[in-house]
Amino acid sequence: AQTVTQSQPEMSVQEAETVTLSCTYDTSESDYYLFWYKQPPSRQMILVIRQEAYKQQNATENRFSVNFQKAAKSFSLKISDSQLGDAAMYFCAYRSGDTLAGSYQLTFGKGTKLSVIP
Amino acid sequence: DTAVSQTPKYLVTQMGNDKSIKCEQNLGHDTMYWYKQDSKKFLKIMFSYNNKELIINETVPNRFSPKSPDKAHLNLHINSLELGDSAVYFCASSQEIVRVGEKLFFGSGTQLSVL
Repeated sequence: AQTVTQSQPEMSVQEAETVTLSCTYDTSESDYYLFWYKQPPSRQMILVIRQEAYKQQNATENRFSVNFQKAAKSFSLKISDSQLGDAAMYFCAYRSGDTLAGSYQLTFGKGTKLSVIP
Repeated sequence: DTAVSQTPKYLVTQMGNDKSIKCEQNLGHDTMYWYKQDSKKFLKIMFSYNNKELIINETVPNRFSPKSPDKAHLNLHINSLELGDSAVYFCASSQEIVRVGEKLFFGSGTQLSVL
């Protein structure tokens, strides 16, 4: 079974600064997808960024980028130029690339609460 | 237009009652899910349906019964509610596409409080 570990329950960052959220995972598969989801106080889960394991290039979405280290099974999220609206819970998630039963399930980490200090 | 909508947003009820949470998606997706988020914010999958067929049924008490009348709807019925059922329940949907990191679209959650 796959597991996803987020070792930082809480993080804080000054507005306009950069912060990195850590995520590690455990899997025996070679084909999979990794995601970061954001959950603001409104509770809605919002996809921030995704990475296909077969792509070596790190995904980027505006101020959000990842550092994907496949051998180390690490998938950290970097937020640049942090804004007040970035304050939220951030969840790392894993999804199997197997098109059979495992591909239907997202396995989430326990989340990191990010605070942005004005 | 809301892609994944679930109702109600808040549900407060007494122990022992039976309640339902409804979910609808207008994205044309084939797969829908129910997740439970506990007080420590940990998200855990409960059920997954693909084209109205049950695909995943995690270790969930059989007091929880999902019902999918069509592929755009996945409702969650809970019998004999217990204090430990208090949580936020999220509905989600996705379109299964091979070798594309398909996005999971979430509803805004239903906060269930059992008194």
